[in-house]
Amino acid sequence: SQQGEEDPQALSIQEGENATMNCSYKTSINNLQWYRQNSGRGLVHLILIRSNEREKHSGRLRVTLDTSKKSSSLLITASRAADTASYFCATVHQGGSEKLVFGKGTKLTVNP
Amino acid sequence: NAGVMQNPRHLVRRRGQEARLRCSPMKGHSHVYWYRQLPEEGLKFMVYLQKENIIDESGMPKERFSAEFPKEGPSILRIQQVVRGDSAAYFCASSPGSGGRYEQYFGPGTRLTVT
Repeated sequence: SQQGEEDPQALSIQEGENATMNCSYKTSINNLQWYRQNSGRGLVHLILIRSNEREKHSGRLRVTLDTSKKSSSLLITASRAADTASYFCATVHQGGSEKLVFGKGTKLTVNP
Repeated sequence: NAGVMQNPRHLVRRRGQEARLRCSPMKGHSHVYWYRQLPEEGLKFMVYLQKENIIDESGMPKERFSAEFPKEGPSILRIQQVVRGDSAAYFCASSPGSGGRYEQYFGPGTRLTVT
């Protein structure tokens, strides 16, 4: 299977703490994207990182990509209760179509 | 610029009926993708279309499911003779191009319930 896998499956932290989520995948990629999904809602695009990039920042978000280990991490700094959601990584694989291959997600709970 | 629109947001069908899900991509986007999400799971790719063409349907079940993206109008995902196992959230996404360089922007989803 080419499906990515997020780790951990669930994470519970206090407001103000940092949250780190990891994602691993199996085949070479063109890019990797992180999405957030609030319960019962659609997906919100967070960051796209290309295979030739190692790190990207957007506000309180920091994404790293290690293509040699086929892994990525999403760091949310100074978390807020509103960050409570499921976070998914999704990859576009080299040589394939533009389809995204999703992991099962990390369920983040930020306690006030 | 309106985002990706999907309708209906909720759809209830009895077993054996047909379900039609509609997706209007973002303005300027000519690439449309359909994904299905079962409860507590990630999204699974179904089909990738450009205007009037199916590019990749490797995730579509072989029977009862079809998709189109006509020259004019929204993309349609059609499920014939629905069964209980078709109950899921169906998400549409769009992007302005290909080549592994573009984000996919998602609509709010259609939640299909088969009774």
